Amino acid sequence: DAGVIQSPRHEVTEMGQEVTLRCKPISGHNSLFWYRQTMMRGLELLIYFNNNVPIDDSGMPEDRFSAKMPNASFSTLKIQPSEPRDSAVYFCASSLVSGNPGTQYFGPGTRLTVL
Amino acid sequence: AQSVAQPEDQVNVAEGNPLTVKCTYSVSGNPYLFWYVQYPNRGLQFLLKYITGDNLVKGSYGFEAEFNKSQTSFHLKKPSALVSDSALYFCASDYKLSFGAGTTVTVRA
Repeated sequence: DAGVIQSPRHEVTEMGQEVTLRCKPISGHNSLFWYRQTMMRGLELLIYFNNNVPIDDSGMPEDRFSAKMPNASFSTLKIQPSEPRDSAVYFCASSLVSGNPGTQYFGPGTRLTVL
Repeated sequence: AQSVAQPEDQVNVAEGNPLTVKCTYSVSGNPYLFWYVQYPNRGLQFLLKYITGDNLVKGSYGFEAEFNKSQTSFHLKKPSALVSDSALYFCASDYKLSFGAGTTVTVRA
C-alpha cells in the first residue's frame, strides 16, 4: 500500500486566497483525521471523519476552515480566505477502527505558507 | 476525556546508553495510549500503543513502553540508543489522539 497520500506537499499563497489541501487515506480504513502542527501550538486535531461522516469538528479554528469527505478515498481541507496565521504543516491520518482505537497512519504533510 | 503530558522538552543521551522518554496521562476511564516519532520534515510514524492487556508493550525499532497505572505513566524506553533515534517523540491518548507537546531526543555519538 502507498500509505496516506497528501497533496500538495508545499503550498505558498498570498493572504486572502483560497487554499485546498487533499488527502487520500489508506484503502480499507474507515476513519480520517486532519491535524495542524505549529511551533506555538504543537499538534492539534482539526476534524475527524468516520465512514465519511464528520464526527467532531470542534478543533476547526473558525468558519474560514472547512473539510469534506465525499467518499472513502478522498478528503479535502479548505481555507477561505487564508491568513498568515494559518501557516503550518497540515497532516492527514487514517485508521481502521473496530471497537478499540485503531493505529493512525500519517501522511507526509502539506507545508502551507501564507504570505 | 484523556490527555497526556511530556515533562521534558529535550532528552540527550550518548549512543549505547539507555533512552527514556517520559509521558504521564490523565484519563477518565480506560486509557488508550500511543507513542509516535517524527523525523525532520516527515510525518509521524507509529511506534507502539497500549489499549489493554500486558503493561509492557513492545514496538518498532526496539522501543518499548511500560504502562503504570499507579503512577499514571507510559514512559518510552530503549535499552541502547542509536544516533538514528534522534527525533521528536510524541505521546498521545484517546481515539482522537490528544498529543503531548513532544520531546526532542538527541543521541550523541
